[in-house]
Amino acid sequence: NAGVTQTPKFRVLKTGQSMTLLCAQDMNHEYMYWYRQDPGMGLRLIHYSVGEGTTAKGEVPDGYNVSRLKKQNFLLGLESAAPSQTSVYFCASRAAGGKTEAFFGQGTRLTVV
Amino acid sequence: RKEVEQDPGPFNVPEGATVAFNCTYSNSASQSFFWYRQDCRKEPKLLMSVYSSGNEDGRFTAQLNRASQYISLLIRDSKLSDSATYLCVVNSITFNKFYFGSGTKLNVKP
Repeated sequence: NAGVTQTPKFRVLKTGQSMTLLCAQDMNHEYMYWYRQDPGMGLRLIHYSVGEGTTAKGEVPDGYNVSRLKKQNFLLGLESAAPSQTSVYFCASRAAGGKTEAFFGQGTRLTVV
Repeated sequence: RKEVEQDPGPFNVPEGATVAFNCTYSNSASQSFFWYRQDCRKEPKLLMSVYSSGNEDGRFTAQLNRASQYISLLIRDSKLSDSATYLCVVNSITFNKFYFGSGTKLNVKP
């Protein structure tokens, strides 16, 4: 049972480089989320999607773009990485409905130098 | 103002103690509530949902107070394995945003 899979698990980028984080879920969930977690800050919502082809901004969207071309995949892009984007990134998915549980991927540890 | 606020702790308690965490939320339209547990450098996992009438799961009891806009988690007979960070989560059905508090760290000591 794969659940939610994030790729890659670790990455070091130089300032100004770009990269894409991939989140894949095999539970046929409608909703998908990207969070970042910094020490003492908890999880902050970057972008989210309520269905294929739709995306919306969360609390901290600046510097990131997302796409949901297929229901099972949610991509997070950094066009020009900055040291402030050094963080642990978590992807989550959940079924439609207000009371459904979110399932998380194992996280991507990104360092921007 | 943050959507969800928690006391960061840490709470340092001996085994067998009872400990309670509170969490406040700012959006009165929030519709569903959860407690997640996160172990060091791991992904969060659902501990329990929080129902309007309150609910219990073994040693864990969750309560919701809509009038005051807070939820609580009570852990009885703490075990060493309960050491973790506990995250409060609030969802607004209207927007389907799943907001996390910053987490409360619990250390249970022998």
